[in-house]
Amino acid sequence: DAKTTQPPSMDCAEGRAANLPCNHSTISGNEYVYWYRQIHSQGPQYIIHGLKNNETNEMASLIITEDRKSSTLILPHATLRDTAVYYCIVLAKYSGGGADGLTFGKGTHLIIQP
Amino acid sequence: NAGVTQTPKFRILKIGQSMTLQCTQDMNHNYMYWYRQDPGMGLKLIYYSVGAGITDKGEVPNGYNVSRSTTEDFPLRLELAAPSQTSVYFCAIRDSRGSEQFFGPGTRLTVL
Repeated sequence: DAKTTQPPSMDCAEGRAANLPCNHSTISGNEYVYWYRQIHSQGPQYIIHGLKNNETNEMASLIITEDRKSSTLILPHATLRDTAVYYCIVLAKYSGGGADGLTFGKGTHLIIQP
Repeated sequence: NAGVTQTPKFRILKIGQSMTLQCTQDMNHNYMYWYRQDPGMGLKLIYYSVGAGITDKGEVPNGYNVSRSTTEDFPLRLELAAPSQTSVYFCAIRDSRGSEQFFGPGTRLTVL
Protein backbone atom coordinates (compact mmCIF):
# COMPACT_ATOMS: atom_id res chain seq x y z
CA ASP A 1 0.00 0.00 0.00
CA ALA A 2 1.27 3.45 -0.92
CA LYS A 3 2.30 5.51 2.07
CA THR A 4 2.19 8.77 0.13
CA THR A 5 -0.15 10.40 -2.36
CA GLN A 6 1.06 12.89 -4.94
CA PRO A 7 -0.59 14.50 -7.97
CA PRO A 8 0.60 12.77 -11.15
CA SER A 9 1.65 15.98 -12.87
CA MET A 10 2.03 19.72 -12.40
CA ASP A 11 3.08 22.69 -14.50
CA CYS A 12 4.99 25.74 -13.31
CA ALA A 13 6.27 28.81 -15.13
CA GLU A 14 10.01 29.33 -15.26
CA GLY A 15 11.19 31.70 -12.53
CA ARG A 16 8.17 31.08 -10.33
CA ALA A 17 8.05 29.00 -7.18
CA ALA A 18 7.04 25.38 -7.70
CA ASN A 19 5.01 23.94 -4.83
CA LEU A 20 4.70 20.16 -4.85
CA PRO A 21 2.23 18.64 -2.37
CA CYS A 22 2.38 15.24 -0.73
CA ASN A 23 -0.13 13.55 1.54
CA HIS A 24 1.12 11.03 4.10
CA SER A 25 -1.80 10.73 6.48
CA THR A 26 -0.62 7.43 8.00
CA ILE A 27 2.90 8.61 8.81
CA SER A 28 4.32 7.27 12.06
CA GLY A 29 6.05 9.36 14.70
CA ASN A 30 9.49 8.02 13.79
CA GLU A 31 9.14 8.40 10.04
CA TYR A 32 10.87 11.11 8.09
CA VAL A 33 9.66 12.71 4.89
CA TYR A 34 12.20 12.46 2.06
CA TRP A 35 12.13 14.03 -1.37
CA TYR A 36 14.04 12.75 -4.38
CA ARG A 37 13.78 13.69 -8.03
CA GLN A 38 14.58 11.89 -11.24
CA ILE A 39 15.52 13.82 -14.34
CA HIS A 40 14.79 12.05 -17.62
CA SER A 41 15.68 8.45 -16.67
CA GLN A 42 18.83 9.40 -14.76
CA GLY A 43 19.37 7.97 -11.29
CA PRO A 44 17.24 9.61 -8.59
CA GLN A 45 18.78 12.59 -6.80
CA TYR A 46 18.27 13.39 -3.14
CA ILE A 47 16.72 16.80 -2.46
CA ILE A 48 15.81 17.20 1.19
CA HIS A 49 14.28 15.45 4.18
CA GLY A 50 12.64 16.39 7.48
CA LEU A 51 10.86 15.06 10.54
CA LYS A 52 8.54 17.79 11.78
CA ASN A 53 10.33 21.10 11.47
CA ASN A 54 10.53 22.97 8.21
CA GLU A 55 13.81 22.46 6.42
CA THR A 56 15.72 24.45 3.81
CA ASN A 57 18.84 23.75 1.81
CA GLU A 58 20.42 25.08 -1.36
CA MET A 59 17.98 23.17 -3.54
CA ALA A 60 14.60 23.51 -1.87
CA SER A 61 12.45 24.05 1.18
CA LEU A 62 10.29 21.46 2.89
CA ILE A 63 7.18 22.53 4.76
CA ILE A 64 5.57 19.87 6.99
CA THR A 65 2.16 20.52 8.52
CA GLU A 66 1.86 20.50 12.28
CA ASP A 67 -0.06 17.21 12.27
CA ARG A 68 2.58 15.79 9.86
CA LYS A 69 -0.09 14.38 7.59
CA SER A 70 1.07 16.37 4.58
CA SER A 71 4.03 18.31 3.30
CA THR A 72 5.03 20.63 0.47
CA LEU A 73 8.30 20.77 -1.39
CA ILE A 74 9.10 24.26 -2.63
CA LEU A 75 11.51 25.05 -5.42
CA PRO A 76 11.79 28.82 -4.98
CA HIS A 77 12.80 29.85 -8.51
CA ALA A 78 12.11 27.02 -10.91
CA THR A 79 14.25 26.63 -14.00
CA LEU A 80 13.84 24.41 -17.05
CA ARG A 81 16.40 22.05 -15.53
CA ASP A 82 13.99 21.37 -12.67
CA THR A 83 11.67 19.47 -15.01
CA ALA A 84 11.67 15.99 -13.47
CA VAL A 85 9.63 13.41 -11.58
CA TYR A 86 9.56 14.27 -7.88
CA TYR A 87 9.11 11.50 -5.33
CA CYS A 88 7.87 11.98 -1.79
CA ILE A 89 8.91 9.07 0.46
CA VAL A 90 8.31 8.37 4.13
CA LEU A 91 10.91 6.29 5.92
CA ALA A 92 11.78 5.54 9.51
CA LYS A 93 15.20 6.73 10.57
CA TYR A 94 17.77 4.33 9.18
CA SER A 95 18.28 1.41 11.49
CA GLY A 96 19.86 -1.06 9.11
CA GLY A 97 18.25 -3.82 7.14
CA GLY A 98 15.49 -3.79 4.56
CA ALA A 99 13.85 -0.77 6.08
CA ASP A 100 16.64 1.25 4.52
CA GLY A 101 15.34 0.63 1.03
CA LEU A 102 13.40 3.52 -0.40
CA THR A 103 9.83 2.81 -1.52
CA PHE A 104 9.04 4.90 -4.57
CA GLY A 105 5.52 5.60 -5.79
CA LYS A 106 4.85 7.13 -9.19
CA GLY A 107 5.72 10.65 -8.07
CA THR A 108 4.75 13.99 -9.58
CA HIS A 109 5.94 14.89 -13.05
CA LEU A 110 6.80 18.58 -12.76
CA ILE A 111 7.05 20.41 -16.05
CA ILE A 112 8.61 23.85 -16.04
CA GLN A 113 7.23 25.98 -18.84
CA PRO A 114 9.42 28.65 -20.48
CA ASN B 1 35.72 10.98 -7.67
CA ALA B 2 33.18 9.15 -9.84
CA GLY B 3 30.79 8.22 -7.02
CA VAL B 4 28.77 5.28 -8.32
CA THR B 5 29.66 3.61 -11.63
CA GLN B 6 27.43 1.10 -13.41
CA THR B 7 28.29 -1.06 -16.40
CA PRO B 8 27.10 -1.73 -18.99
CA LYS B 9 24.86 1.22 -19.86
CA PHE B 10 22.70 -0.86 -22.19
CA ARG B 11 22.30 -4.56 -22.85
CA ILE B 12 20.00 -6.81 -24.84
CA LEU B 13 19.68 -10.43 -23.72
CA LYS B 14 17.89 -13.42 -25.13
CA ILE B 15 15.56 -15.41 -22.89
CA GLY B 16 17.55 -17.83 -20.77
CA GLN B 17 20.87 -16.02 -21.06
CA SER B 18 22.74 -14.86 -18.00
CA MET B 19 24.65 -11.70 -17.21
CA THR B 20 26.15 -9.65 -14.40
CA LEU B 21 25.40 -5.98 -13.86
CA GLN B 22 28.35 -4.24 -12.30
CA CYS B 23 28.22 -1.55 -9.63
CA THR B 24 31.35 0.07 -8.24
CA GLN B 25 31.73 2.93 -5.80
CA ASP B 26 34.72 5.01 -4.75
CA MET B 27 33.15 6.70 -1.71
CA ASN B 28 33.83 3.90 0.80
CA HIS B 29 30.16 3.75 1.83
CA ASN B 30 29.02 0.65 3.67
CA TYR B 31 25.48 0.43 2.35
CA MET B 32 24.75 -0.55 -1.24
CA TYR B 33 21.41 -1.20 -2.96
CA TRP B 34 20.03 -2.54 -6.21
CA TYR B 35 16.73 -1.21 -7.56
CA ARG B 36 14.80 -1.84 -10.73
CA GLN B 37 12.49 0.62 -12.44
CA ASP B 38 9.84 -0.52 -14.90
CA PRO B 39 8.43 1.96 -17.43
CA GLY B 40 6.30 4.67 -15.81
CA MET B 41 6.81 3.28 -12.33
CA GLY B 42 8.87 4.05 -9.27
CA LEU B 43 11.93 2.09 -8.20
CA LYS B 44 11.67 -1.23 -6.37
CA LEU B 45 14.38 -2.65 -4.11
CA ILE B 46 15.89 -5.95 -5.29
CA TYR B 47 18.77 -6.59 -2.86
CA TYR B 48 20.86 -4.58 -0.47
CA SER B 49 24.09 -4.91 1.50
CA VAL B 50 25.15 -3.32 4.76
CA GLY B 51 28.81 -4.16 4.28
CA ALA B 52 31.28 -6.57 2.72
CA GLY B 53 30.10 -10.15 3.12
CA ILE B 54 26.54 -9.20 4.11
CA THR B 55 23.59 -9.14 1.73
CA ASP B 56 19.84 -9.44 2.08
CA LYS B 57 16.69 -9.52 -0.03
CA GLY B 58 14.55 -6.53 -0.82
CA GLU B 59 11.03 -6.38 -2.20
CA VAL B 60 11.60 -8.16 -5.56
CA PRO B 61 14.61 -10.54 -5.29
CA ASN B 62 13.32 -13.46 -7.37
CA GLY B 63 15.47 -14.18 -10.41
CA TYR B 64 18.50 -12.30 -9.08
CA ASN B 65 21.57 -12.96 -6.97
CA VAL B 66 24.15 -10.65 -5.44
CA SER B 67 27.50 -10.83 -3.72
CA ARG B 68 29.57 -8.30 -1.78
CA SER B 69 33.16 -9.45 -1.46
CA THR B 70 34.56 -5.93 -1.21
CA THR B 71 33.31 -2.54 -0.02
CA GLU B 72 33.62 -1.15 -3.55
CA ASP B 73 31.73 -3.71 -5.64
CA PHE B 74 28.16 -5.01 -5.52
CA PRO B 75 27.41 -7.04 -8.68
CA LEU B 76 23.88 -8.16 -9.56
CA ARG B 77 23.56 -11.52 -11.32
CA LEU B 78 20.73 -12.66 -13.61
CA GLU B 79 20.99 -16.41 -14.16
CA LEU B 80 18.09 -17.12 -16.54
CA ALA B 81 16.90 -13.91 -18.13
CA ALA B 82 13.16 -13.53 -18.65
CA PRO B 83 11.17 -10.81 -20.46
CA SER B 84 9.77 -9.70 -17.07
CA GLN B 85 13.29 -8.59 -16.16
CA THR B 86 13.30 -5.95 -18.87
CA SER B 87 13.86 -2.82 -16.83
CA VAL B 88 16.30 -0.10 -15.85
CA TYR B 89 18.54 -1.13 -12.98
CA PHE B 90 19.95 1.39 -10.52
CA CYS B 91 22.64 0.88 -7.95
CA ALA B 92 22.76 3.19 -4.92
CA ILE B 93 25.06 3.74 -1.95
CA ARG B 94 24.72 5.29 1.48
CA ASP B 95 27.14 6.14 4.22
CA SER B 96 26.27 4.45 7.52
CA ARG B 97 26.04 7.86 9.21
CA GLY B 98 24.09 9.58 6.45
CA SER B 99 20.46 9.68 5.37
CA GLU B 100 20.67 10.19 1.63
CA GLN B 101 21.25 7.58 -1.02
CA PHE B 102 23.45 8.33 -4.03
CA PHE B 103 22.40 6.65 -7.25
CA GLY B 104 24.35 5.48 -10.25
CA PRO B 105 23.36 6.30 -13.85
CA GLY B 106 21.57 3.00 -14.41
CA THR B 107 21.74 0.01 -16.76
CA ARG B 108 18.97 -0.39 -19.31
CA LEU B 109 18.29 -4.10 -19.88
CA THR B 110 16.03 -5.59 -22.52
CA VAL B 111 15.23 -9.31 -22.59
CA LEU B 112 13.80 -10.62 -25.86
